[in-house]
Amino acid sequence: GIQVEQSPPDLILQEGANSTLRCNFSDSVNNLQWFHQNPWGQLINLFYIPSGTKQNGRLSATTVATERYSLLYISSSQTTDSGVYFCAAAGNTPLVFGKGTRLSVIA
Amino acid sequence: GAGVSQSPSNKVTEKGKDVELRCDPISGHTALYWYRQSLGQGLEFLIYFQGNSAPDKSGLPSDRFSAERTGGSVSTLTIQRTQQEDSAVYLCASSRGYLNEQFFGPGTRLTVL
Repeated sequence: GIQVEQSPPDLILQEGANSTLRCNFSDSVNNLQWFHQNPWGQLINLFYIPSGTKQNGRLSATTVATERYSLLYISSSQTTDSGVYFCAAAGNTPLVFGKGTRLSVIA
Repeated sequence: GAGVSQSPSNKVTEKGKDVELRCDPISGHTALYWYRQSLGQGLEFLIYFQGNSAPDKSGLPSDRFSAERTGGSVSTLTIQRTQQEDSAVYLCASSRGYLNEQFFGPGTRLTVL
């Protein structure tokens, strides 16, 4: 089945800094999603992006399906951005999750 | 509109007991998924329902796990004879159709003593 790898595993940022999170996947995908897991464990949908580029406020994402990777950009980070960011991908099977990137934003 | 809801939010049980976890998907979503999140295994797929088709049970870890979906809406995940390794957060998700964007519920935290 599809393999999903995320990097870096951990990231510490000063408030106001920008960051890029990467997701590599091993096969062609029909679904790719980015989630933010908040401290209470809720998975918050950030982007549904099997291909192309999307932006939502300070966040944007790009998926290059032909090269099998996706990037999540966070600009002007805030302490509320802290948490774990998951990438999940699906070919013809349900979502396979990466291990996540744990982001800590320090004031 | 209402999101995916799950109950109970927390469940503590003794080893060997059976437990039932409930999921109410977003209205109109035909696809429903169960996942679990544990420290050692990360987030893993368990079972998937799409409309009236036979469920995809390929992720169930043992025959102690089963799930049903009644009337194409509410789903119940049942774990029989619980073991300590079943302790995890069980997450339910739904989508408009298979491979469409999935939306997750808040999860049920299961602790097996």
